[in-house]
Amino acid sequence: AQSVTQLDSQVPVFEEAPVELRCNYSSSVSVYLFWYVQYPNQGLQLLLKYLSGSTLVKGINGFEAEFNKSQTSFHLRKPSVHISDTAEYFCAVSPPISGGSNYKLTFGKGTLLTVNP
Amino acid sequence: DTAVSQTPKYLVTQMGNDKSIKCEQNLGHDTMYWYKQDSKKFLKIMFSYNNKELIINETVPNRFSPKSPDKAHLNLHINSLELGDSAVYFCASSRDMDSYNEQFFGPGTRLTVL
Repeated sequence: AQSVTQLDSQVPVFEEAPVELRCNYSSSVSVYLFWYVQYPNQGLQLLLKYLSGSTLVKGINGFEAEFNKSQTSFHLRKPSVHISDTAEYFCAVSPPISGGSNYKLTFGKGTLLTVNP
Repeated sequence: DTAVSQTPKYLVTQMGNDKSIKCEQNLGHDTMYWYKQDSKKFLKIMFSYNNKELIINETVPNRFSPKSPDKAHLNLHINSLELGDSAVYFCASSRDMDSYNEQFFGPGTRLTVL
């Protein structure tokens, strides 16, 4: 079984500042890793994902994340945030499988990023 | 064009009632899901269907019954609603059950049980 820990429930930052949202996972097998974003009163949408290969993954809206196997982390970063980045961010993990009842995304509890002017 | 749509967006009802939430996707995906998001924003899968076949049925009370009339639709019927059922319910879809696939989420249905 997999689990995801998002260490910060809330992260307030000022506009144009850099931000890092932390995510650690636990799994006995290799995993796929995802970051989803939920804007207020909307559904989730994919920011980026790590499947294999380069450990630095670039996503939409200027976000990137780095997979660190030894630290079992997948932290999300953005060098300069905007007011419109205010949202809930979810880290998620799934086993690298095709089909079957074992396939499901396990989400962390989310980090609320609030960007202040 | 909305990729994954849900109706209704808001649902307010009394304890003990029966209600349904409908979901449709126009992406041509094979796999659909229902998630429950509680008041603390924790998101947990309830069910998944692949080509109308039930694949995942998490530990959900049997008052919750999903139905997939075809690949593009996955509805959720809830009997004898309880206060604890108050939450936001999200429908999602993915191309198939390969776990690298992106899941596309609907806008959510906020259910309030009084």
